[in-house]
Amino acid sequence: GAVVSQHPSWVICKSGTSVKIECRSLDFQATTMFWYRQFPKQSLMLMATSNEGSKATYEQGVEKDKFLINHASLTLSTLTVTSAHPEDSSFYICSAHPTGTPYNEQFFGPGTRLTVL
Amino acid sequence: DAKTTQPNSMESNEEEPVHLPCNHSTISGTDYIHWYRQLPSQGPEYVIHGLTSNVNNRMASLAIAEDRKSSTLILHRATLRDAAVYYCILKGRGGGSNYKLTFGKGTLLTVNP
Repeated sequence: GAVVSQHPSWVICKSGTSVKIECRSLDFQATTMFWYRQFPKQSLMLMATSNEGSKATYEQGVEKDKFLINHASLTLSTLTVTSAHPEDSSFYICSAHPTGTPYNEQFFGPGTRLTVL
Repeated sequence: DAKTTQPNSMESNEEEPVHLPCNHSTISGTDYIHWYRQLPSQGPEYVIHGLTSNVNNRMASLAIAEDRKSSTLILHRATLRDAAVYYCILKGRGGGSNYKLTFGKGTLLTVNP
């Protein structure tokens, strides 16, 4: 099956710093990728839809200036958490849908655990 | 997005079949029924999807009610590796942002050895 990778798998940073998380589709191209956040014991919450070559679409309540998304190529989307604070500590997961294929499913990355001290 | 209702948790014994129910009474005619599962500390994994007819794949079977207002995910022989949170999600047709998935709380499946 199609593979999506994320880097790093975990990161610890100090409050006020920015952290970049990469999401790559390894064996397919993805015009559209998605970013989710998951707090402990809770379900995944969609943050934004990342569109290759255009601006991301953010879900209601998600600060676009805090969570910067860049989808510069058909295989790479990045999420930058700017000026991170302890409340941003969470499990961040990306997903991608292969472009131009009949696949109906999405492929998810393994997740990135962010801890802000 | 049309909503789904699942039990919070279910328990099964190893090597026995498991039937995970999902209610989706407000499903529209073009909504597909998708199932994903999430093992602890991992990203979700696609399990199966269907529209009207029952579906089988190597992981599971999906039984869809005739009126499409409910469905059941069937794991034929549960293993310890099947212990996960199972999500039943309705997804419309179309590309782009229509591919986005809205996750509910899911069902936590515990498999006893």
